Amino acid sequence: DADVTQTPRNRITKTGKRIMLECSQTKGHDRMYWYRQDPGLGLRLIYYSFDVKDINKGEISDGYSVSRQAQAKFSLSLESAIPNQTALYFCATSGVKGNTEAFFGQGTRLTVV
Amino acid sequence: GIQVEQSPPDLILQEGANSTLRCNFSDSVNNLQWFHQNPWGQLINLFYIPSGTKQNGRLSATTVATERYSLLYISSSQTTDSGVYFCAVEGNFNKFYFGSGTKLNVKP
Repeated sequence: DADVTQTPRNRITKTGKRIMLECSQTKGHDRMYWYRQDPGLGLRLIYYSFDVKDINKGEISDGYSVSRQAQAKFSLSLESAIPNQTALYFCATSGVKGNTEAFFGQGTRLTVV
Repeated sequence: GIQVEQSPPDLILQEGANSTLRCNFSDSVNNLQWFHQNPWGQLINLFYIPSGTKQNGRLSATTVATERYSLLYISSSQTTDSGVYFCAVEGNFNKFYFGSGTKLNVKP
């Protein structure tokens, strides 16, 4: 099994619908992240969390919300999806100081029509 | 945030050739990683290399943190090396910043 698991892997949804992307990890890491990748571009940070009670906005948080349900679970919600949120979404985890190597999930390909 | 620039943006190689990919960053960093994004979109960890040199098979990486750059070397390239190579740096507050990637196409 993968260390960082995202569900669903692919999703097509309609404009205006609410959608949740889920992420779970078995790395035991406190830090979790949601990134978005648009075609031909690098990854951009949406939200990040350093523990269950700590949630922070990244550079492109507008239109998104998150929930850290447990140390191992971090979900991303699009309250009212719009077509320009069509992208590849990644969840990631990283360790604490000394070894902060990041590990990524397989990605969720989201299409908003 | 930290600016990360990767070069070249595109690279076409014949199988068996060697290549060097570069990553420049604009500020001091706590961590630097290289990833390979395969054609299915998955991000594969290649190196965790805040400084120094590491080797893994045909791939090696060097980070010179004081001069704010890192290099990824691919020797004897294979078609399976094709994809996009990303450099990501970790700045303050444990946030990771990505470059735009180098798209590599290895032809048989």
